[in-house]
Amino acid sequence: DARVTQTPRHKVTEMGQEVTMRCQPILGHNTVFWYRQTMMQGLELLAYFRNRAPLDDSGMPKDRFSAEMPDATLATLKIQPSEPRDSAVYFCASGTNYQQYFGPGTRLTVL
Amino acid sequence: RKEVEQDPGPFNVPEGATVAFNCTYSNSASQSFFWYRQDCRKEPKLLMSVYSSGNEDGRFTAQLNRASQYISLLIRDSKLSDSATYLCVVKTGANNLFFGTGTRLTVIP
Repeated sequence: DARVTQTPRHKVTEMGQEVTMRCQPILGHNTVFWYRQTMMQGLELLAYFRNRAPLDDSGMPKDRFSAEMPDATLATLKIQPSEPRDSAVYFCASGTNYQQYFGPGTRLTVL
Repeated sequence: RKEVEQDPGPFNVPEGATVAFNCTYSNSASQSFFWYRQDCRKEPKLLMSVYSSGNEDGRFTAQLNRASQYISLLIRDSKLSDSATYLCVVKTGANNLFFGTGTRLTVIP
């Protein structure tokens, strides 16, 4: 039963610190997405990749966020420096044209 | 205006009741439509796709009205296990999925 995995599952950090979240997509999926979910905004698309190439990162604050796919088995989302307003659940999803499969999320708290 | 709008609820219904959620979308060029389910502190999971002709999966019926740009989900004979947040999802373009903020359902014994 293939699944998207994400690490860490929980992260508490202080304002100004760097945060790196990792995602292992399902093998064979050529599209990878990063989302952020908060109570107020719901699910927001931050970035997505197709065949490891970034296609759209317009939802991401460029000054502090960066997303990469160094290889087909790893996607990373980095925040530097982190701010309290970045506190949210960050989901990675991988998919096909018809369905996205979400990972369990990283719950980030920035103090 | 948001791409997808949903009534956030909460909807509190007794077991066995029928409940319906609606969702509106703003982009008339949207091509595909879905309902996802998200349990508390879990990730969203695909519940069902929504087809133009309407489709049914057991107790769940999804309908699409392109003229009015809304999607609906009907749950019949509600079970306690149906308690979750239901996310309306609209696909526009190659891979642009837009999620509604979700409608929270609680089924009460």
